[in-house]
Amino acid sequence: GENVEQHPSTLSVQEGDSAVIKCTYSDSASNYFPWYKQELGKRPQLIIDIRSNVGEKKDQRIAVTLNKTAKHFSLHITETQPEDSAVYFCAATQGAQKLVFGQGTRLTINP
Amino acid sequence: GAVVSQHPSRVICKSGTSVKIECRSLDFQATTMFWYRQFPKKSLMLMATSNEGSKATYEQGVEKDKFLINHASLTLSTLTVTSAHPEDSSFYICSARVPGRSTEAFFGQGTRLTVV
Repeated sequence: GENVEQHPSTLSVQEGDSAVIKCTYSDSASNYFPWYKQELGKRPQLIIDIRSNVGEKKDQRIAVTLNKTAKHFSLHITETQPEDSAVYFCAATQGAQKLVFGQGTRLTINP
Repeated sequence: GAVVSQHPSRVICKSGTSVKIECRSLDFQATTMFWYRQFPKKSLMLMATSNEGSKATYEQGVEKDKFLINHASLTLSTLTVTSAHPEDSSFYICSARVPGRSTEAFFGQGTRLTVV
């Protein structure tokens, strides 16, 4: 089955700097890679996703890159703001099958 | 977007009792729903896949008789934690996808279960 590894587990950056979170997956059949932001006690919220036929996707300050050959994908947040502080999860799945999540990254933005 | 509603959001129960958690798709029909468990500061671990009109598919290591899943309609799946113990205390969360529309998963609000 699919296995997703996420690094780092914690990340602290200065406000305005960039943050990068990386994930690797094991199943080459996976073709959908979403990223979720979760605040304490809340449901995960989809912030960006990418499909295997695309190498990069950007939405304002957030971007995701995918390297299918190496089986890894990354989340990039630029111009970080205090409200970006949260736990971020990557995930992988094939089609509409079950999502397999990474271990999560606790991002702290220091003012 | 699609809305998934979960109830209750918080529940405290005594050891040995059972607790039922409901997951509803409010504006779409979900033939499949997913149940996750999340320990503090940990990731979401899939417990089972709930299939409308048939038995749920449980992940390895999840006790079927402990975590009963029923998906009796296209908009409702329930998770019952039977004979709850303090180690069952956790955050339980469901998700569903809109059939034929996209691969995006929509999550319920989650249920914080505390067994005392």
